[in-house]
Amino acid sequence: QVQLVESGGGVVRPGRSLRLSCTASGFTFRDHGMHWVRQTPGKGLEWVAAIWHDGSNKYYLDSVKGRFTISRDDSRNTLYLQMNSLRVEDTAVYYCARDPAVKLATLFYFDYWGQGNLVTVSS
Amino acid sequence: QSALTQPASVSGSPGQSITISCAGTSSDIGSYNLVSWYQQYPGKAPKLIIYEGSQRPSGVSYRFSGSTSGNTASLTISGLQDEDEADYFCCSYSGYSTSLFGGGTKVTVL
Repeated sequence: QVQLVESGGGVVRPGRSLRLSCTASGFTFRDHGMHWVRQTPGKGLEWVAAIWHDGSNKYYLDSVKGRFTISRDDSRNTLYLQMNSLRVEDTAVYYCARDPAVKLATLFYFDYWGQGNLVTVSS
Repeated sequence: QSALTQPASVSGSPGQSITISCAGTSSDIGSYNLVSWYQQYPGKAPKLIIYEGSQRPSGVSYRFSGSTSGNTASLTISGLQDEDEADYFCCSYSGYSTSLFGGGTKVTVL
């Protein structure tokens, strides 16, 4: 069965960095685009970033462009989100999610989700 | 871009049907057949229940149905059951390789 397991969250001061990981199993990871989606009590769900199945294209929410980087290591079946210059408003539960398209451009919806990982940015 | 607009809450009695609306614009819902809906229980990850406007993934109850008209998408839950009490979110591709979510609707079974 498809499983996505996130790790790497925690508490960090504003301006610092954090890297999230998402390890996939139960499907051919290299065939699917992947996303990061975050959730806050105040703003609900918010799509953050996407990467194509082959890593050739990456897309970002405007407010994280230049600060966050999405990447993947298909040899480790792992998706990453490097978050730099973190702000208080980046505080959220971060989910990794699979795009259903197989070896195609991402469809920008999400058929499997990880369990979520809390990132708290606070001084 | 602004989030899609959903009612904050919808309620119904067991056995009834309820409909949750999701209002967008001609730049998102009105332009792409890529509306999806998610069900979320407290403390759990969202679960895909409708994709491409009206398609149900394998294993999702037939009681969930989706439709789109113009710039508005809708999710209907028929034969409401206690287990349907959850939060529901709509989502649409919004061009420029981004996705937009709605603010979420809390469904209460009376």
